[in-house]
Amino acid sequence: DTEVTQTPKHLVMGMTNKKSLKCEQHMGHRAMYWYKQKAKKPPELMFVYSYEKLSINESVPSRFSPECPNSSLLNLHLHALQPEDSALYLCASSPGQGPGGYTFGSGTRLTVV
Amino acid sequence: GESVGLHLPTLSVQEGDNSIINCAYSNSASDYFIWYKQESGKGPQFIIDIRSNMDKRQGQRVTVLLNKTVKHLSLQIAATQPGDSAVYFCAERSNYQLIWGAGTKLIIKP
Repeated sequence: DTEVTQTPKHLVMGMTNKKSLKCEQHMGHRAMYWYKQKAKKPPELMFVYSYEKLSINESVPSRFSPECPNSSLLNLHLHALQPEDSALYLCASSPGQGPGGYTFGSGTRLTVV
Repeated sequence: GESVGLHLPTLSVQEGDNSIINCAYSNSASDYFIWYKQESGKGPQFIIDIRSNMDKRQGQRVTVLLNKTVKHLSLQIAATQPGDSAVYFCAERSNYQLIWGAGTKLIIKP
């Protein structure tokens, strides 16, 4: 298995909703990442987990809450989002924390209404 | 490609011709560079990488050139095909983090 699987592919949520994005990989990678990508822009790093521990939080608002239940799974819990949070949310993994060898998922297209 | 605000730089190429996508990077201490391809509705896909101790690296139909003197990176795609249509991002590794370029949209003319 050489893929990063993200679910759901599309999500529409209200500003008072609570939802979660899920990411899964079975490549034995020990680093996992959440990125946010707006249209026509490069991905922006949000969080990095290394060996299931949060190692980087790029000053992301607390309405985004990451969770790494085990080495294969990464979640992003969403609560009280704003319309400007609408974006493509990408998960990636790599063998180690260095950025070489990233594998990206196809992303979750999030729309906040 | 260079960032020009909200407009994504675009390169239009005739099918079968070679494509050259350019990127200026920011940090002379960056030691590793990657090119990604992102098709509509998908995540970025690794194309080719190069370390700072190299000037050139070739893959299947793709070549990356690195000019450290002027901090310039280029991606050459030979015999461009319709399936090459995508946005291409360069990325540099600096202090163990990836810094992404603005992206270039490649359009293939039939």
